[in-house]
Amino acid sequence: DTGVSQNPRHKITKRGQNVTFRCDPISEHNRLYWYRQTLGQGPEFLTYFQNEAQLEKSRLLSDRFSAERPKGSFSTLEIQRTEQGDSAMYLCASSFSGGTGELFFGEGSRLTVL
Amino acid sequence: QKEVEQDPGPLSVPEGAIVSLNCTYSNSAFQYFMWYRQYSRKGPELLMYTYSSGNKEDGRFTAQVDKSSKYISLFIRDSQPSDSATYLCAMSIYTGANSKLTFGKGITLSVRP
Repeated sequence: DTGVSQNPRHKITKRGQNVTFRCDPISEHNRLYWYRQTLGQGPEFLTYFQNEAQLEKSRLLSDRFSAERPKGSFSTLEIQRTEQGDSAMYLCASSFSGGTGELFFGEGSRLTVL
Repeated sequence: QKEVEQDPGPLSVPEGAIVSLNCTYSNSAFQYFMWYRQYSRKGPELLMYTYSSGNKEDGRFTAQVDKSSKYISLFIRDSQPSDSATYLCAMSIYTGANSKLTFGKGITLSVRP
């Protein structure tokens, strides 16, 4: 499978706990994006990387959220001190900056905060 | 007002119907327009991509863009039960170097056999 891979697919946690999601992009893609999608809404941009550099962060990304892409390959999204409002699907996408910019999405990591 | 507005749903049609899905946008800087399909509990998958006003056809799907009216549409001909999914319009200002997307909220389509 050469698509975007996300793990875990579903995470249930208690309020106040930390969670981490991992994304493995398509291997030749140098851009990686994180989006958040809540029920009945379209995905909302959180942040993106070109190689290992984090180039933009949305205002939606509070201080409790941190994303890394240490070697320009996989990325992690950590949420500290989770709140019930963090419950959502966290989508990762990748693209090739030299192409048309089409984003290829993973299947997402669903977070449920109790 | 959101930058991208999408017709509310859900939408239910009989098999074989022609479906019209629509989005409007307020940011005239948007230059690239996409339609994504999302099945339940899955990530969005790209259906159509266009960057110019006019029509683009791919099989049973036609994407239409009217930049002067800030309006885009997706038409599905001969709809099939397998087309039942949520359809999301998405737009970006740039491509290649920076293709951050702004999505509509999506419309859920159900095609009845």
